Amino acid sequence: AQSVAQPEDQVNVAEGNPLTVKCTYSVSGNPYLFWYVQYPNRGLQFLLKYITGDNLVKGSYGFEAEFNKSQTSFHLKKPSALVSDSALYFCAVRDKDTGRRALTFGSGTRLQVQP
Amino acid sequence: SQTIHQWPATLVQPVGSPLSLECTVEGTSNPNLYWYRQAAGRGLQLLFYSVGIGQISSEVPQNLSASRPQDRQFILSSKKLLLSDSGFYLCAWSIGSTEAFFGQGTRLTVV
Repeated sequence: AQSVAQPEDQVNVAEGNPLTVKCTYSVSGNPYLFWYVQYPNRGLQFLLKYITGDNLVKGSYGFEAEFNKSQTSFHLKKPSALVSDSALYFCAVRDKDTGRRALTFGSGTRLQVQP
Repeated sequence: SQTIHQWPATLVQPVGSPLSLECTVEGTSNPNLYWYRQAAGRGLQLLFYSVGIGQISSEVPQNLSASRPQDRQFILSSKKLLLSDSGFYLCAWSIGSTEAFFGQGTRLTVV
């Protein structure tokens, strides 16, 4: 079975400060990992993914994430937060070594960036 | 480029009425297709996924069903809606090991 945990319901950060949104995962094999962002009443937008290779992955809008196999984590980061980054963020995982193609999502973390 | 269309954007239906939500994908062939439900603006629950025409896998026993009559068309249905079917329904597609791309969602309110 595959699962994702996002331990923080909400993260508050001041504009211009660095932000981190945490994610840990569990798969029986090797993971594909993803981050998505959702604005109110909209679908999910893809931000970045880890498939293989470098543990530090860079994505859209200045976001990046670091894959840490020993800690089974894939935290989302941004060096300098913007008010417009305020949204709901989802981490997702798929087990590379099974035939399952669907992503399993975490419960989401609401990011609030204060001006 | 690929696009995904999902409609309607909002829907208010009485309890006991039927439901049909439609999703179509353009610009790709033989995609994997998914229906997710999001309750209360938080986590996503996978309802159904399909790897080909007529092939549907159900993740959660419930009042809903899905069909894939054409390669790029995925339909979510119910014969009789329950209050608990209210939520935000999202259709998505993927190819191989890539990320999934989502439609804009349908907000369903059962009254």
